[in-house]
Amino acid sequence: DQQVKQNSPSLSVQEGRISILNCDYTNSMFDYFLWYKKYPAEGPTFLISISSIKDKNEDGRFTVFLNKSAKHLSLHIVPSQPGDSAVYFCAASINTGTASKLTFGTGTRLQVTL
Amino acid sequence: GAVVSQHPSWVICKSGTSVKIECRSLDFQATTMFWYRQFPKQSLMLMATSNEGSKATYEQGVEKDKFLINHASLTLSTLTVTSAHPEDSSFYICSAPGRFPERDEQFFGPGTRLTVL
Repeated sequence: DQQVKQNSPSLSVQEGRISILNCDYTNSMFDYFLWYKKYPAEGPTFLISISSIKDKNEDGRFTVFLNKSAKHLSLHIVPSQPGDSAVYFCAASINTGTASKLTFGTGTRLQVTL
Repeated sequence: GAVVSQHPSWVICKSGTSVKIECRSLDFQATTMFWYRQFPKQSLMLMATSNEGSKATYEQGVEKDKFLINHASLTLSTLTVTSAHPEDSSFYICSAPGRFPERDEQFFGPGTRLTVL
């Protein structure tokens, strides 16, 4: 049972344009959401996160939007750069105040073209 | 951000042998570490939670006798794949929580590619 889903396995965007990566979840107990970027043969790198009490969090070129009623979140990257090409994982957790387990989506491969 | 290292970065072994993978937090202490496994083109799947000074907690379907976890210090957790078989070939990644565990950010090691012949 995949509790966190990324339905688009790949996305191609032109440099300078906006990249929008989507993520859906089924477990309403999730209250913290994170996006990670991963290059081949490397561990994931944390990008940005959002608590369920918010609907938007912005950090430079990266913005995460959360729609709790739809159990949907998205990551916007603008402007997209070639160095953004990687696999992006959405993750969710149930925040307990101590170290929580993360449930990952299946990933979306972003290709930013020149 | 915090730095987590893993050793080795890749290992090739014969079927039936055991392989130990180390995960270290380099500039911070981690009472908890997590071990994940990623098969090609699939997501990261949590295998177990490593707890310093106590037994690890394994996810459903993960054999604790096959994947031995030892968290002997606040900076080191080890995963030993015992009697490895070709189906254990995978990318193994560890992580440790950041300074603010309530934010659930985890810092990942670079991963270990295990190939069992």
